[in-house]
Amino acid sequence: SQQGEEDPQALSIQEGENATMNCSYKTSINNLQWYRQNSGRGLVHLILIRSNEREKHSGRLRVTLDTSKKSSSLLITASRAADTASYFCAPDYSSGNTPLVFGKGTRLSVIA
Amino acid sequence: DAGVIQSPRHEVTEMGQEVTLRCKPISGHDYLFWYRQTMMRGLELLIYFNNNVPIDDSGMPEDRFSAKMPNASFSTLKIQPSEPRDSAVYFCASSLGDRAYEQYFGPGTRLTVT
Repeated sequence: SQQGEEDPQALSIQEGENATMNCSYKTSINNLQWYRQNSGRGLVHLILIRSNEREKHSGRLRVTLDTSKKSSSLLITASRAADTASYFCAPDYSSGNTPLVFGKGTRLSVIA
Repeated sequence: DAGVIQSPRHEVTEMGQEVTLRCKPISGHDYLFWYRQTMMRGLELLIYFNNNVPIDDSGMPEDRFSAKMPNASFSTLKIQPSEPRDSAVYFCASSLGDRAYEQYFGPGTRLTVT
């Protein structure tokens, strides 16, 4: 399968704690994107990291990319109840002509 | 911009009936994607278009599913005849410039086939 594999499947933390989600993928990529899905809504793009980047920040989000391990992580610092959602990674593979393929995501619950 | 618009938001129909889902992409976007999401299978790409032309429909589950994009501002996904296992949330998304760039998702259509 070309999809990224998110880990863990589910994560429950207290408000204020940091949340870390991981993504593994199969072959070389051009870039990797992270999306968030709130319950009952469509996916929303969070951040894109290119294959030549190792780390990227956006507000309370920090994304890292390790191409040697074919993995990425999404860190949400100082989590809030509003961060409760599912988070998906989507690798853009270098070979072939397939569009983004989404995995099953990590379900994050932030408890107030 | 209003974002990607989908209609209806909810559809309940009986097995065997025809169902048509509609999508209006963001103006100027040249890629349009149809996805299906279920708890069991996650988010599946059904078909995508570039400049109104279907590029890859390998994700369409059966001949009962068909999709069209008659112009740059409108697409339909049709299921005929519908079956209970088609019950899912169907999302439309659009993007600009490249198949793998940031996608903008609509709110989805929740389909229930009884």
